[in-house]
Amino acid sequence: GAGVSQSPSNKVTEKGKDVELRCDPISGHTALYWYRQSLGQGLEFLIYFQGNSAPDKSGLPSDRFSAERTGGSVSTLTIQRTQQEDSAVYLCASSFSGGDLETQYFGPGTRLLVL
Amino acid sequence: DAKTTQPNSMESNEEEPVHLPCNHSTISGTDYIHWYRQLPSQGPEYVIHGLTSNVNNRMASLAIAEDRKSSTLILHRATLRDAAVYYCILRAELYNNNDMRFGAGTRLTVKP
Repeated sequence: GAGVSQSPSNKVTEKGKDVELRCDPISGHTALYWYRQSLGQGLEFLIYFQGNSAPDKSGLPSDRFSAERTGGSVSTLTIQRTQQEDSAVYLCASSFSGGDLETQYFGPGTRLLVL
Repeated sequence: DAKTTQPNSMESNEEEPVHLPCNHSTISGTDYIHWYRQLPSQGPEYVIHGLTSNVNNRMASLAIAEDRKSSTLILHRATLRDAAVYYCILRAELYNNNDMRFGAGTRLTVKP
């Protein structure tokens, strides 16, 4: 079946502009995660959605970052007034129910470059 | 999550077995040991996980030390496609922890 998809695959923007990154999770998965991966680094947790519960936003690095998940499916990560340090690969993952032992299935990521 | 320690890089020859070590000396009794890998230009993918007993699946085997302070991911016959960064992660069953803490992992190079 279809895996997690993300769009765009690459995004180049100018400092100060807003960007929106999209994630389509696996159908039927109730949990959705966003991570950020800087060049040569491990993954940094950003935000987690589980069903209709309030999202866990504890990993968002600043108030310029926000995310929504509409209808329990598609999610959009928005970065306002982008800075050069926001350049990274943004990865989305989904899991069936969000339990701690659930396998997370990752998308290919969106490579963001802020000039 | 407890911290894990892995070598930065390892090399292997194609068709030979590979043993990727992970130290987790502060592991708690409820922590499961998970392995993910990240192929070039892709998101991470699940490999295997275990608690106390050794585990086998179609991708790899996981050998867990008796004291659980270390584990080893075993690729029985490395192929060029196995070149990736391998992450060892501890996840607790009892805690509602949504944050999988990926460290820097081990970059595996497979030589033909």
